[in-house]
Amino acid sequence: DGGITQSPKYLFRKEGQNVTLSCEQNLNHDAMYWYRQDPGQGLRLIYYSQIVNDFQKGDIAEGYSVSREKKESFPLTVTSAQKNPTAFYLCASVLTAGGPSTGELFFGEGSRLTVL
Amino acid sequence: DAKTTQPNSMESNEEEPVHLPCNHSTISGTDYIHWYRQLPSQGPEYVIHGLTSNVNNRMASLAIAEDRKSSTLILHRATLRDAAVYYCILLNFGNEKLTFGTGTRLTIIP
Repeated sequence: DGGITQSPKYLFRKEGQNVTLSCEQNLNHDAMYWYRQDPGQGLRLIYYSQIVNDFQKGDIAEGYSVSREKKESFPLTVTSAQKNPTAFYLCASVLTAGGPSTGELFFGEGSRLTVL
Repeated sequence: DAKTTQPNSMESNEEEPVHLPCNHSTISGTDYIHWYRQLPSQGPEYVIHGLTSNVNNRMASLAIAEDRKSSTLILHRATLRDAAVYYCILLNFGNEKLTFGTGTRLTIIP
């Protein structure tokens, strides 16, 4: 079955450590996204990538980094520079070519990061 | 970037219709109107989307204003499982920076 997979589902980190969250999709989607969600809040865009080897900052990119070396993969690194990294992180993808029926945004199940 | 505006919260009685509004006054001609909903501790799931005409699927209906500056998601008969946060977003294949608003938290009263 096609889908989008995030791992790990839960992650604990000590202050000062970098951590990388994985996002893999087998939907042949062009665009991929990372969002952050804090309790009771909406989704805020961290980074997005429209094609391989290209990505753009979203609204809250400071303290985060990404790469897009393969179409299927868009890992997010939460660096020690991120002041409040404890949050729920969501990855999403969408097929950007084609008609209206290809416009559905698919989300992963999320990764919950807790900084101790 | 095109933005959407939704009420923070709404309540509805179980088994009654629910109309969730969304304003998008800066919508462009190539923006698709998408609706997603999110249950606690889960990723959002797709509900429905449209461009100009009203749309129906098994989950809901989408009514789009003639000038496209607003839309309404209609749940025809709300159940307790419909309690979620509903997001209205604009998706443009020419500019894939997808931003979400805070959404509408829908509470269903038994």
